[in-house]
Amino acid sequence: DAKTTQPTSMDCAEGRAANLPCNHSTISGNEYVYWYRQIHSQGPQYIIHGLKNNETNEMASLIITEDRKSSTLILPHATLRDTAVYYCIVRVRNQGGKLIFGQGTELSVKP
Amino acid sequence: GAVVSQHPSWVICKSGTSVKIECRSLDFQATTMFWYRQFPKQSLMLMATSNEGSKATYEQGVEKDKFLINHASLTLSTLTVTSAHPEDSSFYICSARDRDRGDAEAFFGQGTRLTVV
Repeated sequence: DAKTTQPTSMDCAEGRAANLPCNHSTISGNEYVYWYRQIHSQGPQYIIHGLKNNETNEMASLIITEDRKSSTLILPHATLRDTAVYYCIVRVRNQGGKLIFGQGTELSVKP
Repeated sequence: GAVVSQHPSWVICKSGTSVKIECRSLDFQATTMFWYRQFPKQSLMLMATSNEGSKATYEQGVEKDKFLINHASLTLSTLTVTSAHPEDSSFYICSARDRDRGDAEAFFGQGTRLTVV
């Protein structure tokens, strides 16, 4: 699976959009981009995934660049409860299912 | 989304004893479950892949005789930490995918905090 690079930490003001970048310059054509988050002392929570088109669900939006070498997770109106570590993972769909986690971005939403 | 439940949420045990952690998929069947370990301030580390009805596949460096995995049914996998020592103290997390939704995301349990004293 391709390696990802994320900033170690970010701050965001409550109510503002949180934009979390992820670099995956070695991504293969059949690898998807997945985002998970982990709130302190809990199991990871699935957020969203995509292949090449931008995706949106009730939690977030995922913007993937045309060359697929990077992506951005957008939380449109961050709340204090969005404070968590966010993980960007790339993997081949349907290939065993295991997820390899990098270090992630620690997002702190501040009042 | 689908629910994965771990039990217990936390456990304290004496050094040298064994501890069993259960991972259940509550509303779906999972032919494959995954076990992770997480130390403080670190990311999740995949320990092993648990396959229903067959032997688990362990990641490099993980002792299979110390971390026994049993996946006896489509909804239950167990991780037994044998002869636990203080360095085994960690946050253990399982995940599972719905076998009927081949491309679905993995769902995670709430984790088990193990403290070995």
